[in-house]
Amino acid sequence: GQQLNQSPQSMFIQEGEDVSMNCTSSSIFNTWLWYKQDPGEGPVLLIALYKAGELTSNGRLTAQFGITRKDSFLNISASIPSDVGIYFCAGFLNNNAGNMLTFGGGTRLMVKP
Amino acid sequence: DAGVIQSPRHEVTEMGQEVTLRCKPISGHNSLFWYRQTMMRGLELLIYFNNNVPIDDSGMPEDRFSAKMPNASFSTLKIQPSEPRDSAVYFCASSLIAGRNSPLHFGNGTRLTVT
Repeated sequence: GQQLNQSPQSMFIQEGEDVSMNCTSSSIFNTWLWYKQDPGEGPVLLIALYKAGELTSNGRLTAQFGITRKDSFLNISASIPSDVGIYFCAGFLNNNAGNMLTFGGGTRLMVKP
Repeated sequence: DAGVIQSPRHEVTEMGQEVTLRCKPISGHNSLFWYRQTMMRGLELLIYFNNNVPIDDSGMPEDRFSAKMPNASFSTLKIQPSEPRDSAVYFCASSLIAGRNSPLHFGNGTRLTVT
């Protein structure tokens, strides 16, 4: 199946630092989504991106849909302990494959107070 | 608003037993998805429904797995007989429309342990 390469796989940072993670693919996507999963819970949608080049913010989170439509990044500014969790990128391919959402492998974020 | 509701939250069963996982999607959502999450394989799509009709079940591991959606507000995922390798967290998700721009909303999952 299609693959989304998400990096880094894990990050261990100090509270207050900024965080950056990204997803890349060899395929073109027409929608990018970023989810966060807290321990014992399901993934929760953070940001949705629908246009190439789109830059969207949600509080301390900023995400961009790459111009080539093959990548996306998520930045978190001034991290806090509750940012701990697994962040997933996901995307819908630019084809007629219906509702198939492809997920990246996740970035595990750990924040040291 | 109530999100996607899954039950049970945890299930521990012995190998060979039948397991039934349940899901209530968000009201008004027309698409429902079953995912499995493991450390090794991440999130895997098992099957999805549009308007209660199964569209793609190519992710279902084998005949031991079956899923039904008898109406717009209820779906089940059944494993019979269960095996230890089925141990995972199973998520149900729903989306508003069967389209590429409709984000999925996930339930909190059922953690299945087969001993």
